[in-house]
Amino acid sequence: DADVTQTPRNRITKTGKRIMLECSQTKGHDRMYWYRQDPGLGLRLIYYSFDVKDINKGEISDGYSVSRQAQAKFSLSLESAIPNQTALYFCATSDLRTDTQYFGPGTRLTVL
Amino acid sequence: GDSVTQMEGPVTLSEEAFLTINCTYTATGYPSLFWYVQYPGEGLQLLLKATKADDKGSNKGFEATYRKETTSFHLEKGSVQVSDSAVYFCALRPAGGYQKVTFGTGTKLQVIP
Repeated sequence: DADVTQTPRNRITKTGKRIMLECSQTKGHDRMYWYRQDPGLGLRLIYYSFDVKDINKGEISDGYSVSRQAQAKFSLSLESAIPNQTALYFCATSDLRTDTQYFGPGTRLTVL
Repeated sequence: GDSVTQMEGPVTLSEEAFLTINCTYTATGYPSLFWYVQYPGEGLQLLLKATKADDKGSNKGFEATYRKETTSFHLEKGSVQVSDSAVYFCALRPAGGYQKVTFGTGTKLQVIP
């Protein structure tokens, strides 16, 4: 079984809709992240969380919110989706001992 | 702020060719440096890393050496295979406790038989 899972894997929605992307991990890591990937722009950090009580904005947090429901779960919400939020979204965890990030398979979101 | 610059792709090579993907960085002190690889339809995974100057990271035939004097961390492989076709990301984490990781824009590699 995958260590970092994301649901849904693909989603098509309309402008103005509220969308939630979910992430679960079985790696036991405290630190979790949400990134978006756009062609030519690489990965950009949206939000990150160092533990259940700690939430931090990344470089492109406008239009997004997150919830850390438990150590293993970190969800990303788009309150009112817009077309320029069409992208590939990745959840990741990090292991401080090995200084390694572990990524989920991604969610491809299309906003029409 | 910290930044990572990678050569633009795509890079197309024949099987068994030599690969170099250039990466340079801007950061203060001695950041940790990484190469991540993204295979089609998958998330990124760590390929190799180096944490101090002159360190060489290596994995699966890939190598990269941390060059402080040129602020570079170029990825090399002596003989690429079709299975190496992927997108490669250079990344850094600033020195001094935990800071967020900054990724480059990625370089797509296509290896043809």
